[in-house]
Amino acid sequence: DGGITQSPKYLFRKEGQNVTLSCEQNLNHDAMYWYRQDPGQGLRLIYYSQIVNDFQKGDIAEGYSVSREKKESFPLTVTSAQKNPTAFYLCASSIGNYNEQFFGPGTRLTVL
Amino acid sequence: KNQVEQSPQSLIILEGKNCTLQCNYTVSPFSNLRWYKQDTGRGPVSLTIMTFSENTKSNGRYTATLDADTKQSSLHITASQLSDSASYICVVSRNYGGSQGNLIFGKGTKLSVKP
Repeated sequence: DGGITQSPKYLFRKEGQNVTLSCEQNLNHDAMYWYRQDPGQGLRLIYYSQIVNDFQKGDIAEGYSVSREKKESFPLTVTSAQKNPTAFYLCASSIGNYNEQFFGPGTRLTVL
Repeated sequence: KNQVEQSPQSLIILEGKNCTLQCNYTVSPFSNLRWYKQDTGRGPVSLTIMTFSENTKSNGRYTATLDADTKQSSLHITASQLSDSASYICVVSRNYGGSQGNLIFGKGTKLSVKP
C-alpha cells in the first residue's frame, strides 16, 4: 500500500519540551515538505527537502528543525523555541519540485 | 504580492444541489493551479491540476475552470452529496525555477452539505 504516513495522529506536549513528528513515504518521491495549518489560515511551509541530506527553510522555520537522512523519511522536530506550536502539521511529497504534492493524514499537536 | 483569494469563506447547501467555489489569484509567473479537498482532520487530496493552456478539467462530479487572462478559477460541484462536506483549497504554483516556496495556498472554502 503506497502513500505517506504520519505518526502519531495526536500528540500532546508540555511547554518546554521538544517533540518529533514522523513522516514516511514509499512513493519514491524526491521532494518532501512540512506544512503547518491553523484555523482560518492557508497552509504555511515550514521546511522542504528536494534531495537526501539537503533541506531548505520555508516561510515559518523558526522554532523547527528537520533532517533528511533517508529518501523515505523527513522527521520534523518542534523545539521549545517555537512560541505557539499547537497546530495541525501536514507532511507532503512530490516527484519533483513542480509536480503534484501528495499529503499525509496529518498530526495534531497540542501543547498543554 | 502573490496571493490566492477564495470565496465564499463558507457555504451551506442542500444535498443534491450544485455549487460553485471561486478562486482569484495574483501569482506571477504562473505555473499551474490545483484544487484540493480536505476532510476535517485529514490531509488534502488532489482533485484537479490545470496548466496555463487548460481552461476546464473534470474529475467525476467536480469540474474546474481556469481563466488565465482574468486570473480566476472556479470549482463546480454537481449533484452534491453529504460526503462533499469538506474544505476546498485552491493552490497556485509559481514558476521561477529552482527552490520550493513557489506554492501559494488559499485559505479554503468550507462546504457543508445538509440532508
